[in-house]
Amino acid sequence: EDQVTQSPEALRLQEGESSSLNCSYTVSGLRGLFWYRQDPGKGPEFLFTLYSAGEEKEKERLKATLTKKESFLHITAPKPEDSATYLCAVQAIETSGSRLTFGEGTQLTVNP
Amino acid sequence: GAVVSQHPSRVICKSGTSVKIECRSLDFQATTMFWYRQFPKKSLMLMATSNEGSKATYEQGVEKDKFLINHASLTLSTLTVTSAHPEDSSFYICSARDQLGQQGNQPQHFGDGTRLSIL
Repeated sequence: EDQVTQSPEALRLQEGESSSLNCSYTVSGLRGLFWYRQDPGKGPEFLFTLYSAGEEKEKERLKATLTKKESFLHITAPKPEDSATYLCAVQAIETSGSRLTFGEGTQLTVNP
Repeated sequence: GAVVSQHPSRVICKSGTSVKIECRSLDFQATTMFWYRQFPKKSLMLMATSNEGSKATYEQGVEKDKFLINHASLTLSTLTVTSAHPEDSSFYICSARDQLGQQGNQPQHFGDGTRLSIL
């Protein structure tokens, strides 16, 4: 069974204080790992897809990296508008219908 | 691109009422759409996979007769919560993938969810 564990559950940062969120996963064969951002009362917003170990992707203050067991979402010099819940999800190679398995998310709060 | 619209955003109704939620892909066609349920401060739980022109595939433990799914076109899927009760109150979110004619593994794009409250 595919499993995704995210840590920490919650993270409070001061504006400009860089940090990383962790996503550990267990999957028989990884087709893709996805990062989403979710604001309160909204649906998840797609950020990145990572396919293979060693891959990195960046978007503004966010950088996602991938190893064979985990992914990190690095946040550089965060701003209050980066406050949200960040969700990680995996899709297994043999999964039918492209279903995703989600972690429980990391709730990030960036204080001004 | 890849916008998914979900309607309504919030529903409050009496116990026993049936509620229909619509999920539309606005600028792409989706042969597959997904329906999730999310509890407060919890992650998304996949309820069912909606396939255009065929029956939906439900996850274990999800009642087919309770949560009726119809995917009649490449841009519209509906979820009907039949005879809703207070325990059905939740945040329901749909997603869709723009896979037709696309290279690679396209991500799921999500609607903004429907907050369902059953009194």
